[in-house]
Amino acid sequence: GENVEQHPSTLSVQEGDSAVIKCTYSDSASNYFPWYKQELGKRPQLIIDIRSNVGEKKDQRIAVTLNKTAKHFSLHITETQPEDSAVYFCAAARVRSNTGKLIFGQGTTLQVKP
Amino acid sequence: EAGVTQFPSHSVIEKGQTVTLRCDPISGHDNLYWYRRVMGKEIKFLLHFVKESKQDESGMPNNRFLAERTGGTYSTLKVQPAELEDSGVYFCASSQVLGQGPTDTQYFGPGTRLTVL
Repeated sequence: GENVEQHPSTLSVQEGDSAVIKCTYSDSASNYFPWYKQELGKRPQLIIDIRSNVGEKKDQRIAVTLNKTAKHFSLHITETQPEDSAVYFCAAARVRSNTGKLIFGQGTTLQVKP
Repeated sequence: EAGVTQFPSHSVIEKGQTVTLRCDPISGHDNLYWYRRVMGKEIKFLLHFVKESKQDESGMPNNRFLAERTGGTYSTLKVQPAELEDSGVYFCASSQVLGQGPTDTQYFGPGTRLTVL
């Protein structure tokens, strides 16, 4: 069935360092890949997304890369700050011609140490 | 614009009891999704409505779960009777329909934390 694997499960970095979270998906028909950030006790918030016709997208300190051949996408956070500490979820979906349900990875708990 | 809201925020019930969760999507969003996160695992899809119609209920765990969206506005998810393994955080998300702007982005509610004792 549809599956998304996410690594690492926990990540601890020093403030100012970069953080990278990697995901691999199984459904080759997936065409939409969002990343959500969930702070403790709050709702998951979309921070960046990428569609299958694009290889890379950047928004300030956050970037996402997609390798469709390898069915692999990654989140890159540069110059990390303590407020980046949260659980990050990757997801994959077939949109437009399908239900659009999100298949999530297991989540990565990022801790940024001041 | 108000975001997705869910009620209650927390619910503690005993095994065998019934609980009903409510989700109010963003106004104008015809797509409504239910998801669940159990014990620190991944967020899992439960079902998808377009307006009042169930488009995909492949993620519903069993027939103890009943979702409705009468009138195509808010949705309810009833668990009857609740079992211990139903404990978790239930999220609702909504998105716009194809042809009316971005359809891919799902906006999540704050979730309902359900504890079954």
